[in-house]
Amino acid sequence: DAGVIQSPRHEVTEMGQEVTLRCKPISGHDYLFWYRQTMMRGLELLIYFNNNVPIDDSGMPEDRFSAKMPNASFSTLKIQPSEPRDSAVYFCASSSEQVNEQFFGPGTRLTVL
Amino acid sequence: AQTVTQSQPEMSVQEAETVTLSCTYDTSESDYYLFWYKQPPSRQMILVIRQEAYKQQNATENRFSVNFQKAAKSFSLKISDSQLGDAAMYFCACRTQGGSEKLVFGKGTKLTVNP
Repeated sequence: DAGVIQSPRHEVTEMGQEVTLRCKPISGHDYLFWYRQTMMRGLELLIYFNNNVPIDDSGMPEDRFSAKMPNASFSTLKIQPSEPRDSAVYFCASSSEQVNEQFFGPGTRLTVL
Repeated sequence: AQTVTQSQPEMSVQEAETVTLSCTYDTSESDYYLFWYKQPPSRQMILVIRQEAYKQQNATENRFSVNFQKAAKSFSLKISDSQLGDAAMYFCACRTQGGSEKLVFGKGTKLTVNP
C-alpha cells in the first residue's frame, strides 16, 4: 500500500488566494483526519470524518476553512481566502477500527505570503 | 477535555546511552490509548509505541519501552542504546476509546543524539 497520499507537498501562495489541499487515505480505512502543525500551537486536529461524514469539526479555526470528503478515497481541505497566519504544515491521517493506529501522510507545507 | 503535557522541550543523549522522555496526561475517561510518535526532519509522523490503558504491562518495541503509571497519569518513553537515527521530535498523544477517535498531542520533545 502506498500509504496516505497528500498533494501538493509544498504550496506557496499570496494572501487572499484560495488554497486546496488534497488527501487520499489508505484503502479500506474509514476514518480520515486533518491536522495542522505550527511551532506555536503544535499539532491540532482540525476535523475528522467517519465513512465520509464529518464527525467533529470543532478544530476548524474559522469559516475560511472548509473540508469535504466526497468519497472514501479522497478528501480536500480548502482555505478561502488564505492569510499569512495560515502558514503551517497540514497533515492528513487515516485509520480504521480494526487498526488502532492513525497513519499520517507526508504533510503539505503551506506558506502564505 | 483531554490534555497532554510534555515538560521537556529538548533533550540530548549520547549515542548508545539511554534516555527517558516524560509525558503526563489528563482525561476523565477510564478507557483510553496512549501513543508516542516520532517526527524526524523529513516531518513524517511515525508511530513508535502504543499502550492500552487497561493493560498493566508496559509496552515494549525493541529498544523502545514505556513506563505507564495510570494513577499518576504518566506515560514516559525510554529509548535504550540510542542511535543517531533516533534524533527527532517525539510527541506523546492520548485517545479515548469509543465515541471519538480524536488524538490529542503534547507539544513535543526534540531529541538530539550526540555521536
